[in-house]
Amino acid sequence: QSALTQPPSASGSPGQSVTISCAGTSSDVGGYNYVAWYQQHPGIAPKLMIYEVSKRPSGVPDRFSGSKSGNTASLTVSGLQAEDEADYYCSSYAGSNIFVFGGGTKLTVL
Amino acid sequence: QVQLVESGGGVVQPGRSLRLSCAASGFTFSSYAMHWVRQAPGKGLEWVAFTSYDGSFQYYADSVKGRFTISRDNSKNTLYLQMNSLRVEDTAVYYCARDGLRFGVHWYFDLWGRDTLVTVSS
Repeated sequence: QSALTQPPSASGSPGQSVTISCAGTSSDVGGYNYVAWYQQHPGIAPKLMIYEVSKRPSGVPDRFSGSKSGNTASLTVSGLQAEDEADYYCSSYAGSNIFVFGGGTKLTVL
Repeated sequence: QVQLVESGGGVVQPGRSLRLSCAASGFTFSSYAMHWVRQAPGKGLEWVAFTSYDGSFQYYADSVKGRFTISRDNSKNTLYLQMNSLRVEDTAVYYCARDGLRFGVHWYFDLWGRDTLVTVSS
């Protein structure tokens, strides 16, 4: 059950776009469309931002978008705002009734 | 109000047991699969366990298999995590989370509890 690989940090200035990658294998990210992304502010439970690779729950701004190419998924945040500063985690079903998260990426808004 | 509220956390010695509870309200609990997710201090998220909407299936992370048991009582709208043979590395904040799909599993969590802290220390 290896964790998915995310960069430990990412940053951008207000108004800019930033993309966070989530690298897996053909057994998890590449094999299923069960990739999700979560936002977590300090001391607060995670919040679902993207599910099934690119779907956005109601209430999540359309500045947040998800995609997948091969074994790597990506979360793009457009028009960065101060409140987007948080930790972001990707996740994926990994087959055989196992589920994995990425190690997390700390997004800093400069 | 749609919410999940965990309880049962605390400080426990290695090798001992603890049972966490997660009370659901504001939605039809018996229609949704449920999960436990944990987060060690300063670390990332780790999926722990899953139970189907009717409790007929349970799946576990390798790190807790054989030691933890997930269960649910749909008549009480409550999810449980029985944790036995606790280890120092089980120290974490534990979240219960609702699967996003009714009567199935789609491996994303659209509702999270507020967490309960488990500290395993001698």
